Amino acid sequence: GQQVMQIPQYQHVQEGEDFTTYCNSSTTLSNIQWYKQRPGGHPVFLIQLVKSGEVKKQKRLTFQFGEAKKNSSLHITATQTTDVGTYFCAGILTGGGNKLTFGTGTQLKVEL
Amino acid sequence: SAVISQKPSRDICQRGTSLTIQCQVDSQVTMMFWYRQQPGQSLTLIATANQGSEATYESGFVIDKFPISRPNLTFSTLTVSNMSPEDSSIYLCSAQGRSNTDTQYFGPGTRLTVL
Repeated sequence: GQQVMQIPQYQHVQEGEDFTTYCNSSTTLSNIQWYKQRPGGHPVFLIQLVKSGEVKKQKRLTFQFGEAKKNSSLHITATQTTDVGTYFCAGILTGGGNKLTFGTGTQLKVEL
Repeated sequence: SAVISQKPSRDICQRGTSLTIQCQVDSQVTMMFWYRQQPGQSLTLIATANQGSEATYESGFVIDKFPISRPNLTFSTLTVSNMSPEDSSIYLCSAQGRSNTDTQYFGPGTRLTVL
């Protein structure tokens, strides 16, 4: 079954509100990557986290990798309509070579 | 970074027929993968396309149904054989360097509808 879960499944926010999606794995991850998929588009790489407890920022986006390397989060500050899409985490399971296991995804809708 | 193209971008096929999807990368890469994304769902790995040898399939996917070729480091094909409506999905190829810390880039996908 699905080993990498994300919550929430859906999120509707008003423009300017913050948004967070959480990613949880049943097993330890070698690293975790985050992707954004716009409606009708393909996944686009956002960032990769490798180290335990790592935090990275990209403008309004903040990514965290848990200390136990089994969970991660993506936080968007002051959402904009351009943030609309589905956000996937994808992890390399420890001992999984190069294979990415994608999370279930969180679909974000931003309303004016 | 790698730029990946796929052909066709979309197709509508009849039950029982087969479709071959092509994936071309603009630079030599070590790893190539094929994924399926059913409507409203996440991505599921079908197989790793190995250059010069048989692909490595994930649980639930078999070579007879999804034969894969990878004749060189920049090109791969996925065939969806003896299609049924349940095969309607988006099929995506991706490419990555040797290390599992290298970014995995995705092609634009092939949207397949089986009638």
